[in-house]
Amino acid sequence: GESVGLHLPTLSVQEGDNSIINCAYSNSASDYFIWYKQESGKGPQFIIDIRSNMDKRQGQRVTVLLNKTVKHLSLQIAATQPGDSAVYFCAENTGGTSYGKLTFGQGTILTVHP
Amino acid sequence: SAVISQKPSRDICQRGTSLTIQCQVDSQVTMMFWYRQQPGQSLTLIATANQGSEATYESGFVIDKFPISRPNLTFSTLTVSNMSPEDSSIYLCSAPLGMDTEAFFGQGTRLTVV
Repeated sequence: GESVGLHLPTLSVQEGDNSIINCAYSNSASDYFIWYKQESGKGPQFIIDIRSNMDKRQGQRVTVLLNKTVKHLSLQIAATQPGDSAVYFCAENTGGTSYGKLTFGQGTILTVHP
Repeated sequence: SAVISQKPSRDICQRGTSLTIQCQVDSQVTMMFWYRQQPGQSLTLIATANQGSEATYESGFVIDKFPISRPNLTFSTLTVSNMSPEDSSIYLCSAPLGMDTEAFFGQGTRLTVV
């Protein structure tokens, strides 16, 4: 299918390597952040989230780091697999207590080579 | 997790015509949102679909171009009016499924205007 990420930054890794995807956000008042994965022809799929009172959160093979001082998020994927190939977006919740009103980062295309 | 379904999944439309996109959530949700994803770009919020009242539009989007309905807590429509080739994009609806939870997305509607 078509890729929505044709003009986005890219990251290429070998299968089994660790991947780090970075994101800068804009609003220092944002209190909730989410990483999404978007495969070709599909809508964004939730990966992991973090609230502003934390600086690190771990999931299965994924870790999100939040640096509020420089307004920076990163997503670390351990032992990257070919199925991880997709476009990854960070998003910040800008709706205050109304969750779901999101501002998205530009996205990164991750390609995992076998 | 709940399912968010969009119809149609894709369409090719003539310029000057309008297309209505439907979004159905399989549980009641307070908030629903519509996003646009232009080719090779990230997602941009169009509007918040409010149940029982007029939608709230983001800067750069207007009701005459993107009228939205929200007749109940599980359904919303977005119309793309008087289409031009610049409207060719993926349109996505989303909703958080509970209080303080991440937003889930439909699979998107890929619109091509010729």
